[in-house]
Amino acid sequence: GAGVSQTPSNKVTEKGKYVELRCDPISGHTALYWYRQSLGQGPEFLIYFQGTGAADDSGLPNDRFFAVRPEGSVSTLKIQRTERGDSAVYLCASSLGVPGEGTTDTQYFGPGTRLTVL
Amino acid sequence: TQLLEQSPQFLSIQEGENLTVYCNSSSVFSSLQWYRQEPGEGPVLLVTVVTGGEVKKLKRLTFQFGDARKDSSLHITAAQPGDTGLYLCAGALQGTSYGKLTFGQGTILTVHP
Repeated sequence: GAGVSQTPSNKVTEKGKYVELRCDPISGHTALYWYRQSLGQGPEFLIYFQGTGAADDSGLPNDRFFAVRPEGSVSTLKIQRTERGDSAVYLCASSLGVPGEGTTDTQYFGPGTRLTVL
Repeated sequence: TQLLEQSPQFLSIQEGENLTVYCNSSSVFSSLQWYRQEPGEGPVLLVTVVTGGEVKKLKRLTFQFGDARKDSSLHITAAQPGDTGLYLCAGALQGTSYGKLTFGQGTILTVHP
């Protein structure tokens, strides 16, 4: 498809388990972003990549969260020892270029993965 | 504490009415964006404003960026049921990485026929 895709669309897991969430960005987009959206809230920034490297990971809540983008395309968000508080919709977005001084680059969002930790 | 405070959080109006949603902060933003989000989908960009005092119009929607780049508003004229959705403002805080967007908590708009 032409848009950002995320898999799975829904993930139910038990407290303490490990999960991986996948994001396929729009082809050719160099920047990729991860956000987390809790019910009734706006998205919360987690991390963004320029190519293969994490340009800003200041939003990752703790060391249980880790994200990779080894080939500069697909990205995986990994959560270890999941907690009930991790339950949220995890959104991925991509942009063609990298935003900079005086410029912005449209972020195109995927539909999200709804994570439920029981 | 929310860096970007949106108000109101909920808005229920009749078709044909006008409305304004506000997005306020004590911090300066390099740019500010407005998104609309439907249930089960990701946010979709409506507009980006980068210059203090800037006004942009998109059909019945008017967006304004405050002179000091700390606040913004979205005004909808003659609202229609198709405008129903979650409206989010988001911005890149001055002094942080440009790719890091800070979102408001959103305004849920319902337009009744």
